[in-house]
Amino acid sequence: DIQMTQSPSLLSASVGDRVTINCKASQNINKYLNWYQQKLGEAPKLLIYNTNNLQTGIPSRFSGSGSGTDYTLTISSLQPEDFGTYFCFQHNSWPLTFGSGTKLEIK
Amino acid sequence: QIQLVQSGPELKKPGESVKISCKASGYTFTDYAMHWVKQAPGKGLKWMGWINTYTGKPTYADDFKGRFVFSLEASASTANLQISNLKNEDTATYFCARVSGGYWGQGVMVTVSS
Repeated sequence: DIQMTQSPSLLSASVGDRVTINCKASQNINKYLNWYQQKLGEAPKLLIYNTNNLQTGIPSRFSGSGSGTDYTLTISSLQPEDFGTYFCFQHNSWPLTFGSGTKLEIK
Repeated sequence: QIQLVQSGPELKKPGESVKISCKASGYTFTDYAMHWVKQAPGKGLKWMGWINTYTGKPTYADDFKGRFVFSLEASASTANLQISNLKNEDTATYFCARVSGGYWGQGVMVTVSS
C-alpha cells in the first residue's frame, strides 16, 4: 500500500499569510494526487486534482505542485474562510489512500 | 446539477446490519465509478473501496473485506453500502464519492451502541 505522509498536522496562520501543506508518498504516484478541504460536519471539497489542476469554482489563491513522491498545496494569501482540515489523496494505485490531514487554524 | 444524496443517520446495536444508500443525479450513473469512504469521529478519511457502476463489480480495501458489501440499483442510479454484524468501531460517517469531478454525498452517520 502507498503511505501518504502529510505535514504539518496542525497549522496556525494569519490572514494574508502564504501557507504550504506537504504530502509525501511512499512511492511514485505519477501526479495522481488530489487535495481536499473539509469543514466540520461537511463532506470534503475537492480543491486541486492531479497535482496542479484547480477545480472549477475554487479561488486561484489555491495551487498545487509536485511530482514523483513529493506534493505541495499552497494558499497564496490566507483568507478567514480557509480554516478547516486539508487532506491529500493518491489515486494512482490500489488501495487508494489519504493523508492524515492538516488542521488549519486562523490566528 | 450533479448531486449525490445519501440516506439518513442510523442508530444500531452491535451485531445488527445497516444499509446506506447513495442516489446520484445529473449525470449518467453507469459512466463513473462510485467510491466509499469512512470517517470515524474526529479522525481522518479512509478509502473503503469502489464499485464499477457499469458491471456492478465491487473492489474492497483489505480492512473492509467480509462484512461490507457494495451494491447497485442501477435503474435507480443508486449505490448501496451494507454493513453486517456491526461493531462499535463501525461508528463513523460514511461517504459515497464520485472521485472523478470531486462529487461527494453529504455523509451518513452510523452509530453502533448497545
